[in-house]
Amino acid sequence: DVVLTQTPVAQPVTLGDQASISCRSSQSLVHSNGNTYLEWYLQKPGQSPQLLIYKVSNRFSGVPDRFIGSGSGSDFTLKISRVEPEDLGVYYCFQATHDPPTFGAGTKLELK
Amino acid sequence: QVQLQQSGAELAKPGSSVKISCKASGYTFTSYDISWIKQTTGQGLEYIGYINTGSGGTYYNEKFKGKATLTVDKSSSTAFMQLSSLTPEDTAVYYCALITTTDFDYWGQGVMVTVSS
Repeated sequence: DVVLTQTPVAQPVTLGDQASISCRSSQSLVHSNGNTYLEWYLQKPGQSPQLLIYKVSNRFSGVPDRFIGSGSGSDFTLKISRVEPEDLGVYYCFQATHDPPTFGAGTKLELK
Repeated sequence: QVQLQQSGAELAKPGSSVKISCKASGYTFTSYDISWIKQTTGQGLEYIGYINTGSGGTYYNEKFKGKATLTVDKSSSTAFMQLSSLTPEDTAVYYCALITTTDFDYWGQGVMVTVSS
């Protein structure tokens, strides 16, 4: 199975700061069709995961442009500029290029 | 609006089975596969498998073959997951979700399944 390694495990931030989360894959996530199926989810306390970014860099409907996904191959990053209170929670990367689909272990974005 | 409404929490004994449901609304039910995901504190999020809601065809993560059985009732726009031969390791929150790798992605509220004698 593809292993997604997220760093850091926890990211303490001050509101208004920028935050950056890394997701590295044990193998390339480029599908044979040329697409890269790497997504980012945010899970707020007591809620289901919600999609932020799909196919590396595409923002889901309604997601603010403060969220920027980037990367290629096996190395991906989610940047959040100007962190707001509603951004706090656990972020997961997820790959659907290879079966079975797999999730990273999560990065907790928390207040300093 | 798109909604996936899951059934309520379950308390089950080791060795028994549970069947949880996921009722879809707000879109054409047979247009998208429904996925199932397990969440535990220890193992995080794990992808169990999906069902093609039109054909009933299924894909299972090898880890969950023999544990989970996915079915669908098109007449009620409902997907089901049966978990069998339950052990304490099956204690988790289980989600159904529409994961399409596009700008169409929705999750149910999750069902807590507790396995305890």
